[in-house]
Amino acid sequence: AQSVTQLDSQVPVFEEAPVELRCNYSSSVSVYLFWYVQYPNQGLQLLLKYLSGSTLVKGINGFEAEFNKSQTSFHLRKPSVHISDTAEYFCAVSTGTASKLTFGTGTRLQVTL
Amino acid sequence: GAGVSQSPSNKVTEKGKDVELRCDPISGHTALYWYRQSLGQGLEFLIYFQGNSAPDKSGLPSDRFSAERTGGSVSTLTIQRTQQEDSAVYLCASSPQGANTEAFFGQGTRLTVV
Repeated sequence: AQSVTQLDSQVPVFEEAPVELRCNYSSSVSVYLFWYVQYPNQGLQLLLKYLSGSTLVKGINGFEAEFNKSQTSFHLRKPSVHISDTAEYFCAVSTGTASKLTFGTGTRLQVTL
Repeated sequence: GAGVSQSPSNKVTEKGKDVELRCDPISGHTALYWYRQSLGQGLEFLIYFQGNSAPDKSGLPSDRFSAERTGGSVSTLTIQRTQQEDSAVYLCASSPQGANTEAFFGQGTRLTVV
């Protein structure tokens, strides 16, 4: 069975500072990995995804993530955050078309001046 | 429609009543998911429909919960004999080909059991 762990429930950061949101997964087979964002009072939307190929994937709003198979991680990074990045970020994993999409518990990113 | 549509957007029900939550996925999407999001919790997987395959019901928390997807399109999540712990936001998502493609989420149904 697949699972996702987001160890940080909240990450406070000052505007223009870099940020890393951690995600670790568990699976006995190859995985597809995703980061979704949920802005306040809005639905979830896809930030970026890793299916295959380059382990460094770039997404919307300047975010990127790196797939590390040996460490079973898919951490999300942004070099300089903005107030508007304040949101809940969810990491998710699946193992294929027939597999469900499993989410982590989320990390709340709070950006302040 | 342009996106995943869920109805109602809000539902208040009395403990013990049955409720039905509806999801209209994006046309042509073969995969449909239901999740539950409680305050301070992540997205709890409930059920996954993919094409004509048998649905993955492994996330349904009890036999009071059931879901169906008619004609490979609209889905209904039914909760019988609702309990206060069922209060949550129920999210539906659809994707073109399954869990290796982007899932598009609806705005959710906020269920409050009083």
